Amino acid sequence: GAGVSQTPSNKVTEKGKYVELRCDPISGHTALYWYRQSLGQGPEFLIYFQGTGAADDSGLPNDRFFAVRPEGSVSTLKIQRTERGDSAVYLCASSLYPIATDTQYFGPGTRLTVL
Amino acid sequence: DQQVKQNSPSLSVQEGRISILNCDYTNSMFDYFLWYKKYPAEGPTFLISISSIKDKNEDGRFTVFLNKSAKHLSLHIVPSQPGDSAVYFCAATADNAGNMLTFGGGTRLMVKP
Repeated sequence: GAGVSQTPSNKVTEKGKYVELRCDPISGHTALYWYRQSLGQGPEFLIYFQGTGAADDSGLPNDRFFAVRPEGSVSTLKIQRTERGDSAVYLCASSLYPIATDTQYFGPGTRLTVL
Repeated sequence: DQQVKQNSPSLSVQEGRISILNCDYTNSMFDYFLWYKKYPAEGPTFLISISSIKDKNEDGRFTVFLNKSAKHLSLHIVPSQPGDSAVYFCAATADNAGNMLTFGGGTRLMVKP
């Protein structure tokens, strides 16, 4: 079956612009996660959804970052007034349920470059 | 504060030999640990996991060992193969954390033919 997909694969934008990153999870997975991976580091948690609601958004760095999952499937990560420090690979993952024994399957990521 | 640390940024081993990747954690609430493998331009893929109630879990060539008193885990790959060359991430989660993963910084493994 299809895995987690993310679009676009690459996004180059200018400082101050608004960007949207999209994630299509595995069909039927109720939990969806966003992580950010900066160069040379491991992924860092941003936010996770259980169904349509954001169950934990403690990893979002500031109020310029926002994510939605209106129908409990596709999710969009939105970044306002982008800064150069936002440049990173944004990874999305999904799992059947948000429990430790349920494997998180990752998409290939969106590489965001803010000039 | 890094709650999960991988102190070796890289490791080089000969094909057929054992690869040992190490990981340390500080948060005693972590009760489930995972290893993910990542190739360039791809997302991390799950490799193997271990619950805190166990000290060893084996899956084919891959074995994970957990030492709770030392807050240390390791991944053993034997025998190592060139296709194992990738970045390996250690990750941890707590039962009440909604499966939010905390990752280490990764170790790049290079298996030489």
